[in-house]
Amino acid sequence: KNEVEQSPQNLTAQEGEFITINCSYSVGISALHWLQQHPGGGIVSLFMLSSGKKKHGRLIATINIQEKHSSLHITASHPRDSAVYICAPREGGSEKLVFGKGTKLTVNP
Amino acid sequence: GAVVSQHPSWVICKSGTSVKIECRSLDFQATTMFWYRQFPKQSLMLMATSNEGSKATYEQGVEKDKFLINHASLTLSTLTVTSAHPEDSSFYICSARRGGMNTEAFFGQGTRLTVV
Repeated sequence: KNEVEQSPQNLTAQEGEFITINCSYSVGISALHWLQQHPGGGIVSLFMLSSGKKKHGRLIATINIQEKHSSLHITASHPRDSAVYICAPREGGSEKLVFGKGTKLTVNP
Repeated sequence: GAVVSQHPSWVICKSGTSVKIECRSLDFQATTMFWYRQFPKQSLMLMATSNEGSKATYEQGVEKDKFLINHASLTLSTLTVTSAHPEDSSFYICSARRGGMNTEAFFGQGTRLTVV
C-alpha cells in the first residue's frame, strides 16, 4: 500500500513569501500529480511529472524518484494562492492515484 | 488545459430517492473516467474506474448496485446514487484522462450531495 505523507498540513504565509510543500510516498510510481483544491471543492491539476522539474508561472514542481519525494514551490505568493494543495502519486503499472491529505495554504495580504 | 464539466454542482435530495451526476469531457475524448468521493477533511477516495463501453471497476467496499456508473460515450460518464441515505452525503468528483495510462487527468468541479 502506498503511503503518502504531505507536510506541512497547514501553512500560513504573508503575501510575497516563498512557499514549499513537501510530499513523500512509499512505493515506486510512474508519475505524480500536484492538485489545487479551492474552498468550493473544484480541483485543478497543476502538474503531472515523472522526473526532474516543471515550472508554470510562479509554480515549480520537483521530483526525486530515488528518494520518493516531491516538492511544490510557489514564488511570490499571493492571497489567491490560498487553497488546499494535494499530492497524488500514481503507482507504477496502475491507473490509480493515491491522494495525500493535502496542505492547506493561507496567504495573507 | 482540457475541460471536464460536472453537473450538478450541488444537489439536495430526500432519503430513498436516486440522484444522477454527469461528468463530461468537453474538448477531448475520454476512454477512462474516474469517480471519487471526499468526506469533510478527508482525502479523495477512488470509488470506481469507468471505461467507455464496458462495466465499471469498483474499489473494494463500494457497492456497485448502489453507485451505478454508465460510460456510454467517449465524452460522458454518469454516476447514479440509488436509494440515497444521509450517510451518502459527500462531495463527489470525477476525472477524465485524455489518453493512455501515463497521460494527465483532468478534474470536474465536483458535486456536493446532501441527503435529507
